[in-house]
Amino acid sequence: KNQVEQSPQSLIILEGKNCTLQCNYTVSPFSNLRWYKQDTGRGPVSLTIMTFSENTKSNGRYTATLDADTKQSSLHITASQLSDSASYICVVSANSGYSTLTFGKGTMLLVSP
Amino acid sequence: DTEVTQTPKHLVMGMTNKKSLKCEQHMGHRAMYWYKQKAKKPPELMFVYSYEKLSINESVPSRFSPECPNSSLLNLHLHALQPEDSALYLCASSQAGGPSGYNEQFFGPGTRLTVL
Repeated sequence: KNQVEQSPQSLIILEGKNCTLQCNYTVSPFSNLRWYKQDTGRGPVSLTIMTFSENTKSNGRYTATLDADTKQSSLHITASQLSDSASYICVVSANSGYSTLTFGKGTMLLVSP
Repeated sequence: DTEVTQTPKHLVMGMTNKKSLKCEQHMGHRAMYWYKQKAKKPPELMFVYSYEKLSINESVPSRFSPECPNSSLLNLHLHALQPEDSALYLCASSQAGGPSGYNEQFFGPGTRLTVL
């Protein structure tokens, strides 16, 4: 069964600090891994998409890494801002098809002033 | 235009009401999706339309009835819902062929549904 596990479940950090969120997956056959940011009551917004051949990808202060061998990914947030407070969801796509996205339960990040 | 819009933003309905959720995109995407998301849970896929035809129904109760009148619009008709159907309903779209490869899914802001 395809699964995506995220840790920690929730995290509180001070504004300006860095943090790293983790994602472990067992999805086969693997196609790509995405990180989404979801504000409360809003739809998810894509941050990064990586295929198995990509080890790292950045989007502003967000940097995602992928280790396809260990089936692990991380999302590093640099110099956090209050607006970074949201749920960060790791989503893994299997090869082809429409209903092939496996969602993690997300990490709820709170950036405190 | 890289936006998926959904209306209404909020909806409160009784168990005997009939209502509809609407979703629209103008990115030329030919795959559109409905998801249901409960609080603190990940989205759950409900329906997928590909080229305006229903491709996937994830065993959703018949009180939810999807409709895709054209390539830009997706509706979800609601009838005789239960209180446990209260949730955030998300619409998404992608290039045809699904979300594999770099066919990114774009999500709308959602409709917050409360069933009394």
